[in-house]
Amino acid sequence: KQEVTQIPAALSVPEGENLVLNCSFTDSAIYNLQWFRQDPGKGLTSLLLIQSSQREQTSGRLNASLDKSSGRSTLYIAASQPGDSATYLCAVKMDSNYQLIWGAGTKLIIKP
Amino acid sequence: SQTIHQWPATLVQPVGSPLSLECTVEGTSNPNLYWYRQAAGRGLQLLFYSVGIGQISSEVPQNLSASRPQDRQFILSSKKLLLSDSGFYLCAWTRTVLGGELFFGEGSRLTVL
Repeated sequence: KQEVTQIPAALSVPEGENLVLNCSFTDSAIYNLQWFRQDPGKGLTSLLLIQSSQREQTSGRLNASLDKSSGRSTLYIAASQPGDSATYLCAVKMDSNYQLIWGAGTKLIIKP
Repeated sequence: SQTIHQWPATLVQPVGSPLSLECTVEGTSNPNLYWYRQAAGRGLQLLFYSVGIGQISSEVPQNLSASRPQDRQFILSSKKLLLSDSGFYLCAWTRTVLGGELFFGEGSRLTVL
């Protein structure tokens, strides 16, 4: 049974730092992995989708990597800003299955 | 471009009252549609998904039902709300069931008193 873990549960860093959020999964037979952010009381915003055949995806200051063999994905945020404060969630889709398996999220606070 | 809207944004309902949450997707055809619930301090729970008009699959036995009367419309309903139905309900869509990027609506906050 696939399990998705995000550590740490919360992270607080000063503005301007580069940071890495982690997502690990137990079953490497994934179809894709998606990163989202959620602001308090809001819906989820898709950040990056990585297909199983890809190693990384980039969007602006965000870079997501995928290492299936080690069961890990990282979300790298460059030059963090207070507006990056949110909860970041990763979700894994398994082969031939419509379901997403969700991590519990990392709550990120960027201090001005 | 594609957009997804859901309403109402906030709802306070008494126990035993009915519920109707509506979700529409614009800018695409034949989307796959999903209803999720996010309870306080807990993760996302898939409630229903639909691959086409009138085609609904339920993931969790519960007090809720879903319908898809039109291609881009997805409705979450209940005949009699329970206290445990309180939560944040999210509608989402993908182009394909297997590999598509998942996009969410703004969410509907339901409080049952």
